[in-house]
Formats: sequence, C-alpha cells, structure tokens
Amino acid sequence: GDSVTQMEGPVTLSEEAFLTINCTYTATGYPSLFWYVQYPGEGLQLLLKATKADDKGSNKGFEATYRKETTSFHLEKGSVQVSDSAVYFCAFAWGVNQFYFGTGTSLTVIP
Amino acid sequence: GAGVSQSPSNKVTEKGKDVELRCDPISGHTALYWYRQSLGQGLEFLIYFQGNSAPDKSGLPSDRFSAERTGGSVSTLTIQRTQQEDSAVYLCASMPQTNTGELFFGEGSRLTVL
Repeated sequence: GDSVTQMEGPVTLSEEAFLTINCTYTATGYPSLFWYVQYPGEGLQLLLKATKADDKGSNKGFEATYRKETTSFHLEKGSVQVSDSAVYFCAFAWGVNQFYFGTGTSLTVIP
Repeated sequence: GAGVSQSPSNKVTEKGKDVELRCDPISGHTALYWYRQSLGQGLEFLIYFQGNSAPDKSGLPSDRFSAERTGGSVSTLTIQRTQQEDSAVYLCASMPQTNTGELFFGEGSRLTVL
C-alpha cells in the first residue's frame, strides 16, 4: 500500500554542518510531496512542498527535489543552525483527504 | 485565535472511561482532519471533514471512536471505553477551501490511558 519511509533519527549535527534527511515514498502515480516541521512546543507546520516531478521546493534555506525516478524527496540544507532543531516529517498526498506521513526525524543542532 | 486550538493539551484517564477531545480550527477553513501519533509511529489518519459533505471515516480504528463537527467549525473526537493502546497524541489540522495542500496543525492532545 501507499507509504512513506524516512531516515530514522535522532540526528545530531554541529552548527553549519550539511544536512540530508532521506525520504522515499511508495505510491502509484505522482502525488504531491511535502516536508513538515515541528519545533519544540509547537504544532506541525509546512516547510516546503513540490507538486510535480522535478519541482524543487525551498524555504528557510531548506530544499527538496521531487525525483520520480527514485520516488524520493530528500530534504537538504547546506548550513544548519541551532534554531533548526526540530522534528521533520516527510509526507505525500492525493487530493485533499489522503495525506501519508513518515515517522519523523528528530534533528538536534549543537553550537 | 489565529491558529488551530486543541483541548485539553493533556488528558490522563483510566481504562474503560470515555474521553472527548476538542478542536477549534482556523476560522473559515472548510477542511478538518484528525490524526493520531503513537510513540515511534507516523501520523495515522483518523477522519476528515469537508464542509457539509459526509465525513471520510475510513481511518477510525474501531467503533469506539467517533467524531462530529458542529456548524462546520468546532470538532469533537470521542473515544469510548478507552484502552491502553489508545494512548497517543491526537492531532487536529485544518485547511482552507483554496486547497493549497497546506495543513495547519494544532499542538495536539496527549492522551494517557492507565
């Protein structure tokens, strides 16, 4: 069935390090792809999205490219900051009522 | 308020008791979702409301779970005869009619069943 697999955490990085969080999905066709982020004490919020193949979503220095060949949507950031410490969720959606989320990857950035 | 509001933020109950969890979505958002997040698991879809249409209840895990949305706004998720496996964080999200694909989440209600 449809599902999302993302890199298990927790991930700990030093400030200014390069970040990659892997995400792959299993689905027929081409859904919309998302990364959501949950900062400590807050609800999940949309970080970025891509709606068709080869699209690149970007926000706050984070990027992810919709790769239909590998059914992947890896999250990257060139230089992480302490304020990026959060839990990151990969997701895809068909229409408006079928959102599938990964298990989340916890990121801690140390000064 | 400006965001999705959920209450209570924490609820501890005894096995067999009924609980109600409330969600107040962003004003004007027509779509409302309930998800469940158990330890180490992804978000599990429970139910979806869209305007006045019949809700999509396909994710409700058993007939002990029910939800309603009154007046197209506030929603209540009810769990009857709670079991220990119901312990989880219950998340509510809403989305505007423009359907940007962006869900707006509340901070969740943490339910602990003893």
